[in-house]
Amino acid sequence: NAGVTQTPKFQVLKTGQSMTLQCAQDMNHEYMSWYRQDPGMGLRLIHYSVGAGITDQGEVPNGYNVSRSTTEDFPLRLLSAAPSQTSVYFCASSRSALDSYEQYFGPGTRLTVT
Amino acid sequence: GQQVMQIPQYQHVQEGEDFTTYCNSSTTLSNIQWYKQRPGGHPVFLIQLVKSGEVKKQKRLTFQFGEAKKNSSLHITATQTTDVGTYFCAGRGRGSTLGRLYFGRGTQLTVWP
Repeated sequence: NAGVTQTPKFQVLKTGQSMTLQCAQDMNHEYMSWYRQDPGMGLRLIHYSVGAGITDQGEVPNGYNVSRSTTEDFPLRLLSAAPSQTSVYFCASSRSALDSYEQYFGPGTRLTVT
Repeated sequence: GQQVMQIPQYQHVQEGEDFTTYCNSSTTLSNIQWYKQRPGGHPVFLIQLVKSGEVKKQKRLTFQFGEAKKNSSLHITATQTTDVGTYFCAGRGRGSTLGRLYFGRGTQLTVWP
């Protein structure tokens, strides 16, 4: 199993550009989520999904869209990039949202918006 | 809203000294998880505590969950340079927020050789 994979690893965008961060897992996990990590701020939840076709907002959803058309994939879309979105983005998955299972994190995408 | 506070933000110790990080929640948690993130890496699951007053050990690491299920701690005995990293607690909400994890801001541990 590859676990949780994320692409790209690094990305530089100009203000106003859009892009999609890819996330995939091969563990048949129901629950997937996106976090951003900024210095001193810990991990903040952007969006999450409890299964294919179901998504919900986390703490900091503004400026981001998600969809979950398959169990495996959970892409994060930046609609119009802003410098405030410069951050490290982590995708995570776990077996279920209803029971308490550990989250598996991807390696992260380091995004810079200029 | 739900919040998980974690202190201290930074801790610098000499190798061999002990280390403790604390987590406090504004509301009762269904369970709490601990993660470690090495510099430049991603968070990796360490352990989960579910029961009130639960204590679990992993070699030199001791994890505790408070009686009221609102606080938790991670204690490392005799730190080593391999313990360097940021330790996060993550509390899982109850009721309507079941499933969401609320992360503390983490404690960054530096160990001097």
